[in-house]
Amino acid sequence: KAGVTQTPRYLIKTRGQQVTLSCSPISGHRSVSWYQQTPGQGLQFLFEYFSETQRNKGNFPGRFSGRQFSNSRSEMNVSTLELGDSALYLCASSPGLAGALYNEQFFGPGTRLTVL
Amino acid sequence: EDQVTQSPEALRLQEGESSSLNCSYTVSGLRGLFWYRQDPGKGPEFLFTLYSAGEEKEKERLKATLTKKESFLHITAPKPEDSATYLCAVWGGGSYIPTFGRGTSLIVHP
Repeated sequence: KAGVTQTPRYLIKTRGQQVTLSCSPISGHRSVSWYQQTPGQGLQFLFEYFSETQRNKGNFPGRFSGRQFSNSRSEMNVSTLELGDSALYLCASSPGLAGALYNEQFFGPGTRLTVL
Repeated sequence: EDQVTQSPEALRLQEGESSSLNCSYTVSGLRGLFWYRQDPGKGPEFLFTLYSAGEEKEKERLKATLTKKESFLHITAPKPEDSATYLCAVWGGGSYIPTFGRGTSLIVHP
């Protein structure tokens, strides 16, 4: 079974630009979550999509947005990049079923974003 | 609000020196506690899920246990390849998203 894939793996952008990151979940998984990971803050939850709808949202500004397509693939967009947005962005997929016992999240390798 | 605290923040061991990592949590209605291993520059790798107090799971040199307030990840006779950051996360009732701890950075010296 193929794992979670993320593209691109590395990105270098300058302040003020925007960026789009892509995530393909494990086949059959309908939930995709996005996280930002930095040395200072650890893993911080951005948002979660389930069946093309944003189901949960973390405490990030509106510059961070996402969407999910009918095939469960997801994209995350960051507009007007700031230096502090430099981080490892991780995507995780899970079955996402309410009340289910097996809702482990499986992570992709991440996209390393550097903002100059 | 769900909270997860992991200790110690960093741990250095000699190869073969067994130890334990701690994950203390407060959550409303625990539905699951997860352990992950993360290597530098990579995504977390799923290790275990524990659902109820008293449950234990093992994988090679790792054993995870769960009480009503904390979980332990026991590492028996560690090897240098066990060096990584170990993350703990809890999934509480009413939430579809786990809350992660800051992790324990483990270094095993040969």
